[in-house]
Amino acid sequence: EAQVTQNPRYLITVTGKKLTVTCSQNMNHEYMSWYRQDPGLGLRQIYYSMNVEVTDKGDVPEGYKVSRKEKRNFPLILESPSPNQTSLYFCASSLWGLDENEQFFGPGTRLTVL
Amino acid sequence: ELKVEQNPLFLSMQEGKNYTIYCNYSTTSDRLYWYRQDPGKSLESLFVLLSNGAVKQEGRLMASLDTKARLSTLHITAAVHDLSATYFCAVDEGYGGATNKLIFGTGTLLAVQP
Repeated sequence: EAQVTQNPRYLITVTGKKLTVTCSQNMNHEYMSWYRQDPGLGLRQIYYSMNVEVTDKGDVPEGYKVSRKEKRNFPLILESPSPNQTSLYFCASSLWGLDENEQFFGPGTRLTVL
Repeated sequence: ELKVEQNPLFLSMQEGKNYTIYCNYSTTSDRLYWYRQDPGKSLESLFVLLSNGAVKQEGRLMASLDTKARLSTLHITAAVHDLSATYFCAVDEGYGGATNKLIFGTGTLLAVQP
């Protein structure tokens, strides 16, 4: 089944404790992206990657890191989480370079930073 | 800077009625996406609209795009309870070629009452 998976689905942590949220897709998509969803703000892009070893900042990159060492994986790293990073996080993937670059979303990771 | 506005933000409607959700955006784009999100769930792609005048229909939902007016509409015909969800429009920042950089509206929470 074609899908985007994320782990963990729920995470409660404390300020300053490094964490990684994994994202994996099995559709051979070039493009992958991380979003955060906050009430009243819709989804905002954190980072994106157009292919292996190619990443760039989105609209809200502060406090986050990413890497793209393999095509299928795109982990989101919070080196020193803070309470304002409490949010619902979605990973998405799509083909690149076509007209209809429909993005497929993972199930989401709900992060609480105390 | 591309901004995307949806209205209404909240819509309570009775089963069997028709209504329209509006998505306005501030700069030129020719790619617009509609997503549905059920509570606690991920985003599900509904429609991809790629050109001026594009119209797509699926069941009781019909989406259209007017790139000149920078407006998309999502029309609901004879609403049923199963359509209750939050609906997002998302606009690609690019024009004449996709960038995959999506700017999301804040969403419309649709509640269909029996």
